[in-house]
Amino acid sequence: GEDVEQSLFLSVREGDSSVINCTYTDSSSTYLYWYKQEPGAGLQLLTYIFSNMDMKQDQRLTVLLNKKDKHLSLRIADTQTGDSAIYFCAESIGTNAGKSTFGDGTTLTVKP
Amino acid sequence: DTGVSQDPRHKITKRGQNVTFRCDPISEHNRLYWYRQTLGQGPEFLTYFQNEAQLEKSRLLSDRFSAERPKGSFSTLEIQRTEQGDSAMYLCASRPGTGGETQYFGPGTRLLVL
Repeated sequence: GEDVEQSLFLSVREGDSSVINCTYTDSSSTYLYWYKQEPGAGLQLLTYIFSNMDMKQDQRLTVLLNKKDKHLSLRIADTQTGDSAIYFCAESIGTNAGKSTFGDGTTLTVKP
Repeated sequence: DTGVSQDPRHKITKRGQNVTFRCDPISEHNRLYWYRQTLGQGPEFLTYFQNEAQLEKSRLLSDRFSAERPKGSFSTLEIQRTEQGDSAMYLCASRPGTGGETQYFGPGTRLLVL
């Protein structure tokens, strides 16, 4: 079955790097996503990675995928107070990917 | 802005009442998804459409829930005889057809059932 797990909380100091981790169980996942949600708002897609990739970098964001261990991570370099939010990991199955399965989110708190 | 829009943004209702939410996807996106998000959890899939066809429904979608996309553009989600457990954020997302790997989410409709 499909299951996505994340740690619930992460606290870092402004300027440090943040690493948010995620594990998933479905080996047929095609795309893996990271979303950001601020209080009272919808989901903002930050980045995604195709399952045949190991790494993707986009400005301050680096996504690492270990397909063997079914482990996904999101690294945010030079974390800012504006990065404080809930971060969701999600997976989609299939080459014509449809629905996504989400983790329960990691609340990132950035302290000045 | 031509993103996904949802209406209303907030809805307070009494238990037993019916409510209807609307989602307008990004123009020309033929796939449309509904998710439900309760406090402290990630979004859970409810149903999705390809054009006007409803292709999949989650077992979370009880008989009191119905979704439509009559012309393959906007969609409505209706909840009949609301219960307090229906209180949640209802999120809509759309994506292009084949080859579109990214879902774009709307701002959500927050429902509170008293």
